[in-house]
Amino acid sequence: KNEVEQSPQNLTAQEGEFITINCSYSVGISALHWLQQHPGGGIVSLFMLSSGKKKHGRLIATINIQEKHSSLHITASHPRDSAVYICAARVYFGNEKLTFGTGTRLTIIP
Amino acid sequence: DTEVTQTPKHLVMGMTNKKSLKCEQHMGHRAMYWYKQKAKKPPELMFVYSYEKLSINESVPSRFSPECPNSSLLNLHLHALQPEDSALYLCASSQWGTGDTIYFGEGSWLTVV
Repeated sequence: KNEVEQSPQNLTAQEGEFITINCSYSVGISALHWLQQHPGGGIVSLFMLSSGKKKHGRLIATINIQEKHSSLHITASHPRDSAVYICAARVYFGNEKLTFGTGTRLTIIP
Repeated sequence: DTEVTQTPKHLVMGMTNKKSLKCEQHMGHRAMYWYKQKAKKPPELMFVYSYEKLSINESVPSRFSPECPNSSLLNLHLHALQPEDSALYLCASSQWGTGDTIYFGEGSWLTVV
């Protein structure tokens, strides 16, 4: 079993729909990252969370440390949101190793 | 400047060639990373440098040789690679030990023929 699990693996939705991607982890972490990767390859860091909730534009990320679970939400989804979304757990401060989830491939249809 | 710049974007090399991938950042980050990513898989950590010293080597074959000449530059020297080494190679940087955001480059697509 992977230390970081994501669901769903693939998600197709209509433009405008509310999107939720889930991430569960089994290790103790100091922070959890949400990353976005477009087909061209580059990865963009969307959020880094150690507690609570963060919002940036139409994106919202939450984390529940006790339940070892994080979610990424996209409101009013748009075709340009189509990408692979990856959660990655930073194991503990001082060890800069990230453990990656397997990614969620999101496709938004106009 | 919040960029991590990688060159070249694409590289095709033969199994007997020697080539290098380069990575540069000017954010003052003291941690720099090399990741390897195969198609439809998450990135796999290869090396971590902190303060220009190699701190993590994830049992990477010696045909991959990292180098950190200064705090802004990270190289990955390639020699005698195999076709299965074809992948996207991603460089990243972050502050060390602060749990700060990690910044990735656009990657170098490597094809070994």
